[in-house]
Amino acid sequence: IAGITQAPTSQILAAGRRMTLRCTQDMRHNAMYWYRQDLGLGLRLIHYSNTAGTTGKGEVPDGYSVSRANTDDFPLTLASAVPSQTSVYFCASSDHEGYEQYFGPGTRLTVT
Amino acid sequence: ILNVEQSPQSLHVQEGDSTNFTCSFPSSNFYALHWYRWETAKSPEALFVMTLNGDEKKKGRISATLNTKEGYSYLYIKGSQPEDSATYLCAFIGGTASKLTFGTGTRLQVTL
Repeated sequence: IAGITQAPTSQILAAGRRMTLRCTQDMRHNAMYWYRQDLGLGLRLIHYSNTAGTTGKGEVPDGYSVSRANTDDFPLTLASAVPSQTSVYFCASSDHEGYEQYFGPGTRLTVT
Repeated sequence: ILNVEQSPQSLHVQEGDSTNFTCSFPSSNFYALHWYRWETAKSPEALFVMTLNGDEKKKGRISATLNTKEGYSYLYIKGSQPEDSATYLCAFIGGTASKLTFGTGTRLQVTL
């Protein structure tokens, strides 16, 4: 089934550890996005990529990095996790920037 | 940080009732306004992408209007059904098309 997948589904991580959340889409969408969802704050954009090879910062980029080596994959890395990064992370993609976005199932991350 | 507000925060209606919610956003530098439907334990799904002042979009019993000059959009649900129960998110894109700023959503519960 075409779509967007994320891994892992959930993870408990010790503070200070490095973690990469994976996101893959098979729709050949140009643009991809990472959001975090926190109670009362809604979805907030962490990083985005308009096309393979380019990335940009969203509203809350600190503590996170991304890469876009190819069209399909857009991994999000936490270099040294902190408890405030406990959240549900959603990856999304769209055909082009500004178009409707398709969301992955989310990754629930707990940093202890 | 852009201010995108949705009201009400939550809404409880009876089956068959019609209802509407509001999304307000900055009236300057408008690019697009998205509406998403987010069911519990699922991912957000796009309902509408609206780009022109005066736009009206419809999908079944759900419709939306857009006023970019005054910075608001309404989402209407006619004859609510229990399966309409979800959180409805609006997202504003201003200036650069890359970044969506989401509101915190209106949580709708429809009971029999």
